[in-house]
Amino acid sequence: DAGVIQSPRHEVTEMGQEVTLRCKPISGHNSLFWYRQTMMRGLELLIYFNNNVPIDDSGMPEDRFSAKMPNASFSTLKIQPSEPRDSAVYFCASSWFSGTLYEQYFGPGTRLTVT
Amino acid sequence: SQQGEEDPQALSIQEGENATMNCSYKTSINNLQWYRQNSGRGLVHLILIRSNEREKHSGRLRVTLDTSKKSSSLLITASRAADTASYFCATPNTGNQFYFGTGTSLTVIP
Repeated sequence: DAGVIQSPRHEVTEMGQEVTLRCKPISGHNSLFWYRQTMMRGLELLIYFNNNVPIDDSGMPEDRFSAKMPNASFSTLKIQPSEPRDSAVYFCASSWFSGTLYEQYFGPGTRLTVT
Repeated sequence: SQQGEEDPQALSIQEGENATMNCSYKTSINNLQWYRQNSGRGLVHLILIRSNEREKHSGRLRVTLDTSKKSSSLLITASRAADTASYFCATPNTGNQFYFGTGTSLTVIP
């Protein structure tokens, strides 16, 4: 398996622009997570899906952030409009959740810079 | 918050020495996991220890868990330059969420 795939790996955009981050989880996994990592705040869980359904989006910082998972093999995280404080590394992770004792597999991340 | 906190924040050792990092958490858990993150990469799962286990080994890694103190430690023996990375503990809640600590940055000097 290729692991969790994220695209793009790097994104530089100007304030106010829309940004879309993409994730392909590991085939067969039923849970998908979006995280944001910064030096100041560490690793923050933004939202997670179970069987394509958003379960908890309480970590989504503002209405400018939205996430979708139209099917088991694809998810997007959209920021509209983007702001400089959104600059961070965004990770997607997937896992097979069957109740307990599972690990998460992380993608390589998307480094977002908003100028 | 159930977030784990690693200690120390940064650790620098010579190659061949052992590295020990600690994690404290706040609520009851059924397992605790350790992850490694190399610079510019995603996190990689290292080891999982169940709440009814006190110690677990995997290669050069040794993890201990003390549920009465709500703490865990990760020991890397005979460290190598390639072990240079950040190490995070993660505590899953009863649902499907992980709480990651702030991480320990380990530098192994060749």
